[in-house]
Amino acid sequence: QQQVKQSPQSLIVQKGGISIINCAYENTAFDYFPWYQQFPGKGPALLIAIRPDVSEKKEGRFTISFNKSAKQFSLHIMDSQPGDSATYFCAARSNMYGSSNTGKLIFGQGTTLQVKP
Amino acid sequence: EAGVAQSPRYKIIEKRQSVAFWCNPISGHATLYWYQQILGQGPKLLIQFQNNGVVDDSQLPKDRFSAERLKGVDSTLKIQPAKLEDSAVYLCASSPAGTDTQYFGPGTRLTVL
Repeated sequence: QQQVKQSPQSLIVQKGGISIINCAYENTAFDYFPWYQQFPGKGPALLIAIRPDVSEKKEGRFTISFNKSAKQFSLHIMDSQPGDSATYFCAARSNMYGSSNTGKLIFGQGTTLQVKP
Repeated sequence: EAGVAQSPRYKIIEKRQSVAFWCNPISGHATLYWYQQILGQGPKLLIQFQNNGVVDDSQLPKDRFSAERLKGVDSTLKIQPAKLEDSAVYLCASSPAGTDTQYFGPGTRLTVL
């Protein structure tokens, strides 16, 4: 129930194409769903995040689509660029105000994206 | 604004040796996290501090790992003795009180031979 399953493991997209990464979860207590971007040798950096009260959030070329009933969410990168080549992690966090949880982030396994010029 | 600082960046040790990692969070951030990231996997939380108190250490292997955050600022994570399976990147992150965003440092890559 604490897992977040991410797919695909790796993705190759042509420049200008759309990159789509999917995540699924089981725990209905999750209430915050961020996506992190990680370049080699660097720590993850927050890219975009969504809460389950909205179905979509867009920031520039990055969009999160959220399906609460299916317990799935996805990251769409429009007009993908070679500079987007990185590893992307979805994550989920339990409601911080539960009786015995601390709101820790549970990360997916990661997707390595390569955008070809 | 300076980011989360970690040192050393790389460490190679023999199994059964001890090692310590240091983290200096962003100034004013109340919450500090230590994560373990094994190659090809997402980060896994080891311990979370709120100021200098432990909030969550449920996934910290307490027989060999220890962490402290004296004075509620910087933090040290120690492994004693190290095992081969401890080879990973150890990430420190911090966040301001009342926010969701975690800011990660560059990590320390540990190799245990």
